[in-house]
Amino acid sequence: GAVVSQHPSRVICKSGTSVKIECRSLDFQATTMFWYRQFPKQSLMLMATSNEGSKATYEQGVEKDKFLINHASLTLSTLTVTSAHPEDSSFYICSARDQQYNSPLHFGNGTRLTVT
Amino acid sequence: SQQGEEDPQALSIQEGENATMNCSYKTSINNLQWYRQNSGRGLVHLILIRSNEREKHSGRLRVTLDTSKKSSSLLITASRAADTASYFCATDAGNTGKLIFGQGTTLQVKP
Repeated sequence: GAVVSQHPSRVICKSGTSVKIECRSLDFQATTMFWYRQFPKQSLMLMATSNEGSKATYEQGVEKDKFLINHASLTLSTLTVTSAHPEDSSFYICSARDQQYNSPLHFGNGTRLTVT
Repeated sequence: SQQGEEDPQALSIQEGENATMNCSYKTSINNLQWYRQNSGRGLVHLILIRSNEREKHSGRLRVTLDTSKKSSSLLITASRAADTASYFCATDAGNTGKLIFGQGTTLQVKP
């Protein structure tokens, strides 16, 4: 089945630094990937849609300069949290689908970011 | 923005019992999907039901969809301790392919 790999699984960084999270589709090509954020015991909030070869589409209220998304190839999207602050601490999850619409999303295992 | 409301927020049952979770949404949809999440992990797709379908089965799972009421339910029959997880419904609307998730139901199945 389709596999999405996300790395790293956990990262701890200091305030003010930037952190990059990678999301790879291992056995399929993904022109579109989706980045979600999840707070403890809460649901997933869609942050942005990552489009291969073009700019990401951000959801309302998500700072594009804060959360930089790059989708340089059909198998890799990256999310960079810039100038991280403790309130950016969260669980970030990427996803992609290997078919057109009306099909499931395949999720990475998530990245637990802790900003100290 | 979150589309769905799920009910109940938490559910605790004994092994062997059935578990029913409900999901309501607000806009027209192309399909509705159910996912499972074990603590601290990514989500696993369980079942997809299209807007023109009313019921779908997969193993011990049964999903219903009522588009007139904008609601769906997930039934897990003969539950097992390994079914302990959070369950989310997600709606696929419009032509962007993005999924909007409900608040989720945390299911605990006691051995």
